[in-house]
Order: sequence, then C-alpha cells, then structure tokens
Amino acid sequence: GESVGLHLPTLSVQEGDNSIINCAYSNSASDYFIWYKQESGKGPQFIIDIRSNMDKRQGQRVTVLLNKTVKHLSLQIAATQPGDSAVYFCAEGSYSGYSTLTFGKGTMLLVSP
Amino acid sequence: ETGVTQSPTHLIKTRGQQVTLRCSSQSGHNTVSWYQQALGQGPQFIFQYYREEENGRGNFPPRFSGLQFPNYSSELNVNALELDDSALYLCASGQGLNEKLFFGSGTQLSVL
Repeated sequence: GESVGLHLPTLSVQEGDNSIINCAYSNSASDYFIWYKQESGKGPQFIIDIRSNMDKRQGQRVTVLLNKTVKHLSLQIAATQPGDSAVYFCAEGSYSGYSTLTFGKGTMLLVSP
Repeated sequence: ETGVTQSPTHLIKTRGQQVTLRCSSQSGHNTVSWYQQALGQGPQFIFQYYREEENGRGNFPPRFSGLQFPNYSSELNVNALELDDSALYLCASGQGLNEKLFFGSGTQLSVL
C-alpha cells in the first residue's frame, strides 16, 4: 500500500469547533468499520463502530457516517476539545472466521484552545 | 485504561537477535491479536490467537511466531531481527471472535 511516511494528514481546529475526519476504505466486502483514537505513547483507543448495513451511527459527541457507494467513512466530533488532539485511524474488518482489522493511514487532529 | 498490559515498554536489540514480547489480556477475553505499527503508519495485523490456537495470520514471515497460554496471556517472538522490524508492537484482546479489540500501549522495539 501507499505510505505517507512521517507526514500524516493534519486537521487543525479551534476548541469548540466541529471536526470532520475522512477516510477512504479499500474493501467493498468489509462487514464493519471502526474509528480509533491514538494518543502519543498509547495504543489505539476504540471510539465508535458501524456495521456495513448502516449509514450513520451516533455516540457521545461523535457521529460516524458510512457511504458504501464511494467507499467513504467519516468521523464527526462535536464541540472539539483540546483532549481530542490525537491521531485518528479508521479500520475495516470482516467476519472471515477471525477478527482482523485493516487500518487506514491516520489523520492527526490538532485542537487549539 | 483497557486492561491490556504489555511488557516491556521499550526494548533495544541488534540485528540477528531474537526477541520475546509479552501481553496480558483483559479479564474475560479469550482472543488476542498482535499488530505491528511503523512510525507514521497504521497498525498492521500480524496474527491472532483464539483459545491457544493461531486463528489467522497477516503477511508476516514465519520468523514472527506467537503463543497464547491457558490464562490467555500471550507472547510474540521474532527471530533473526532485521532493521525494518523496528516498530511499535501492539497487543489487542477481545471477547470471542468479535470486532471490538482493546489495545495495550505497546512495546517500542528498536533494532540497531
């Protein structure tokens, strides 16, 4: 796959703004999708998931939208806070007999006070 | 905190050496997966263990091997280390073969 090396796409927002992070996934046969948040020095933290038979799911301050026609996933974060600053990964998975996830390249979200 | 703990947190090895990384799963979880995360990249699936058996494997050579123990803790072993093996190694546990994986903080391996 392609490599972005050390230069992750970056989204810079002000505290209180709404943030939208986008992801293009690769496998039209994927059964579910997950957004993870990864802070420096930590492992990925589960945020929200969505199954392939849904197009929208809401959590606390977060909404995930799935567009299977164009293989696009987005994560919307409402009222972004400085603590939301992290790298965000989308991951896709399938019920293939074992639960493996294929991660996207990641987007760095920087929230300024 | 996810309840998944990994040790050590950092490790430095030289090319050609062997390394063992350890993971303690979250209580009640019987599935463990290992991922490799190179700097600036997303994690890549190495393999998964379910009830002590390897249940799936990504595109990694046989010198990457693992074990899962009766208490569902796990080891990742890498033989004949190469410079490109330098990465963050993540362990994730789950309850059965479902999609919710809970990750540990990882072991940062540097191969010199």
